[in-house]
Amino acid sequence: AQKVTQAQTEISVVEKEDVTLDCVYETRDTTYYLFWYKQPPSGELVFLIRRNSFDEQNEISGRYSWNFQKSTSSFNFTITASQVVDSAVYFCALSEEGGGNKLTFGTGTQLKVEL
Amino acid sequence: DAGVIQSPRHEVTEMGQEVTLRCKPISGHNSLFWYRQTMMRGLELLIYFNNNVPIDDSGMPEDRFSAKMPNASFSTLKIQPSEPRDSAVYFCASSSLRGKTSTDTQYFGPGTRLTVL
Repeated sequence: AQKVTQAQTEISVVEKEDVTLDCVYETRDTTYYLFWYKQPPSGELVFLIRRNSFDEQNEISGRYSWNFQKSTSSFNFTITASQVVDSAVYFCALSEEGGGNKLTFGTGTQLKVEL
Repeated sequence: DAGVIQSPRHEVTEMGQEVTLRCKPISGHNSLFWYRQTMMRGLELLIYFNNNVPIDDSGMPEDRFSAKMPNASFSTLKIQPSEPRDSAVYFCASSSLRGKTSTDTQYFGPGTRLTVL
């Protein structure tokens, strides 16, 4: 069975600090997909990134970067020079090939960025 | 392009009443998902459809919950009768299913905040 663990329940940082959100997953499939979503205080779920299991290249998008390591079953998310607008709950999710598009979500990490 | 549309955005009702939540997926998407989010249980998948056909409803909590997708551009989630423990945010999401198994990104609607008094 698939499982996603986000051990960090809440993280508080001061603006301009770098912060890394951890995500560890479990799956028996060799083909799977990993996602990060952001849920700001307004409540909507915003898609950030999708990564398939055959693509271990790290990705950078502006201040956001993602580190995918199959050896440790981790897909961590780093925000560089954090800003107050980054304050949100961040969810990591997993979908297995053959799972019919079903997403399994982690419990989320609440990030608070303060001035 | 319009994203996933959900209505109403907020619903307050009394215990025992019927509640109907509505969702319009992104045009061209052929998979639709209903999720429920609560503090206690996080994000839970209730049911999903591929090409308007319900594929997995194992997450539907009980018979009081039902979902339909009469066509590719509309789905409903109904709770009858509603109970206070059904209070939650209900999200609808859609994606493209390529073939039978290929996974594509799910895009979420803004959610419906349901309060049952």
